[in-house]
Amino acid sequence: RKEVEQDPGPFNVPEGATVAFNCTYSNSASQSFFWYRQDCRKEPKLLMSVYSSGNEDGRFTAQLNRASQYISLLIRDSKLSDSATYLCVVNMRSSASKIIFGSGTRLSIRP
Amino acid sequence: AAGVIQSPRHLIKEKRETATLKCYPIPRHDTVYWYQQGPGQDPQFLISFYEKMQSDKGSIPDRFSAQQFSDYHSELNMSSLELGDSALYFCASSFWDRGVSGANVLTFGAGSRLTVL
Repeated sequence: RKEVEQDPGPFNVPEGATVAFNCTYSNSASQSFFWYRQDCRKEPKLLMSVYSSGNEDGRFTAQLNRASQYISLLIRDSKLSDSATYLCVVNMRSSASKIIFGSGTRLSIRP
Repeated sequence: AAGVIQSPRHLIKEKRETATLKCYPIPRHDTVYWYQQGPGQDPQFLISFYEKMQSDKGSIPDRFSAQQFSDYHSELNMSSLELGDSALYFCASSFWDRGVSGANVLTFGAGSRLTVL
């Protein structure tokens, strides 16, 4: 089993739709959680950190469920520019960094 | 703001040749990571350094080696190149500090694209 697993996708949704991604992690001691966005042939860029209380940034909402060991990303009112691959990233350690990427979920927004 | 600088951006090599990729982290970042991303794949962790010491090792082949220098820049050395080594190689940096906002967040360089012919 992979340490970080994501919905395989691809998701193909119309503009304006709401879409949600899930990601599960295997190490209960994991400390930090992030969502990154990667456009084709470009480097991953931080979308948002995920906090225990959940957090929102505009149309994006991230949530963490430690008991079930998963994090989620919700995108509301999706735009064409949201088309990208979304990577779930988990820092597995508390005393040093062991950062693991999920395999990514590809999202395609159609007009 | 300064970002993570990688060089070269593109590199073409033949099989069995060697290649060296360089990474200059964001100033005051103490941790450097190397990732390899093949076509259509997620970034695979290769190796990381914390304060110039190797901190973790992932799926880095024995033909590859890396180090971090006193100025915190890092180099990934690849020898006996194989066709399967063709990929985008990302370097990322972060600073480690438990409980500090912004800590442990990776910032990636634009990547070095290696093509092995």
